[in-house]
Amino acid sequence: SSELTQDPAVSVALGRTVRITCQGDGLRNYYASWYQQKPGQAPVLVMYGKNNRPSGIPDRFSGSTSGNTASLTITGAQAEDEADYYCKSRDSSGKHYVFGTGTEVTVL
Amino acid sequence: QVRLQQWGAGLLKPSETLSLTCAVSGGSFNTDWWTWIRQPPGKGLEWIGEINQSGSTNYNPALKSRVTISEDTSKNQFSLKMSSVTAADTAVYYCARLAYSGSGSNYVDFFDPWGQGTLVTVSS
Repeated sequence: SSELTQDPAVSVALGRTVRITCQGDGLRNYYASWYQQKPGQAPVLVMYGKNNRPSGIPDRFSGSTSGNTASLTITGAQAEDEADYYCKSRDSSGKHYVFGTGTEVTVL
Repeated sequence: QVRLQQWGAGLLKPSETLSLTCAVSGGSFNTDWWTWIRQPPGKGLEWIGEINQSGSTNYNPALKSRVTISEDTSKNQFSLKMSSVTAADTAVYYCARLAYSGSGSNYVDFFDPWGQGTLVTVSS
């Protein structure tokens, strides 16, 4: 079972802002990273740490963390942002990695 | 730029051993940790385990009894073996690099890049 909890699904109108959250005790001590997965494709890293975007990821993606919650925000969502998003951090022991339950983002 | 290419048997019978290999190109094999992750059809991601350049391993406690991750540094490859598979092990299996950034309170690790994935189906 995952120790990181995400909302199963969210929807956002084209061009609007959506925030995806990830909750878990491990986030109090370890930063999250975020992955975008489109159907039939391998996950792609879109955010890590406080607010770090890998090269090639649009600046409409931003990250934040507070207490036991990490957030990924898409400001001005585009059709190509429609995907599943997973957070990842460590379990409460700090020794193993865990993924969030995943959030399906639909762009209307 | 690091790239991962993976391969292995895609169809197994119950009780057989799953075997996958991941080749690393573009450098960093001897300085990073390398990991396996899986995703059952229609479900979320599950971390399986990792290995570093000196052969140290770390496994998901839920799978530890059946999983072995090894490496061949001469070929820049690492492998996954999972014994006694059942239908519950049917999944797309990914290899990935565990990278990190920062230190101390700013430390963060993340999986990047990923291999293309291999669908492993367990069926009698």
